[in-house]
Amino acid sequence: KAGVTQTPRYLIKTRGQQVTLSCSPISGHRSVSWYQQTPGQGLQFLFEYFSETQRNKGNFPGRFSGRQFSNSRSEMNVSTLELGDSALYLCASSVRDSRVETQYFGPGTRLLVL
Amino acid sequence: LAKTTQPISMDSYEGQEVNITCSHNNIATNDYITWYQQFPSQGPRFIIQGYKTKVTNEVASLFIPADRKSSTLSLPRVSLSDTAVYYCLVAPSGGSYIPTFGRGTSLIVHP
Repeated sequence: KAGVTQTPRYLIKTRGQQVTLSCSPISGHRSVSWYQQTPGQGLQFLFEYFSETQRNKGNFPGRFSGRQFSNSRSEMNVSTLELGDSALYLCASSVRDSRVETQYFGPGTRLLVL
Repeated sequence: LAKTTQPISMDSYEGQEVNITCSHNNIATNDYITWYQQFPSQGPRFIIQGYKTKVTNEVASLFIPADRKSSTLSLPRVSLSDTAVYYCLVAPSGGSYIPTFGRGTSLIVHP
């Protein structure tokens, strides 16, 4: 099975711009979660989508949004970029079975805001 | 959600066994323990998962005592390529939850 793929892998933007990141989960996985990782804050949960519905949301401002399509692919959008949004953005997909839910992460998108 | 505490860093040498312990004092009855490995600029990679006692796979073992307030990831005979950050995650087996990763343990394996 192909793993989680994320595009683009690297991105450079300037303050005030907006950005859209894409994530394709493992085939058959219906849950997609997004994380932001920075040296200062570590790995922080942004939100999770399951069957096109946002199921959970972390403590991030409304500039961070996402959506999931019927094929489980997901996008996240960050509007009005700030310097502090520079980070590695990770997407993880999971399949829910009756006992455990293991997340499989993609390689991430490295965003640099200038 | 159970908060986790791990050592910030550990050092080891090639060929040694490494044990990384994670404390999770307020673990709930339906929580599972999962360990991830992360290399720089890559996403975390699932290593092992367990609920109680001992779980072993081809890369690691996970020891969980009866009270489940801690867990120990055991890496047998580490090599240089095991240098990475290791995260312990405690989360319920189902339902809605917000995954909370700690700061992880940075393992450095020396020649």
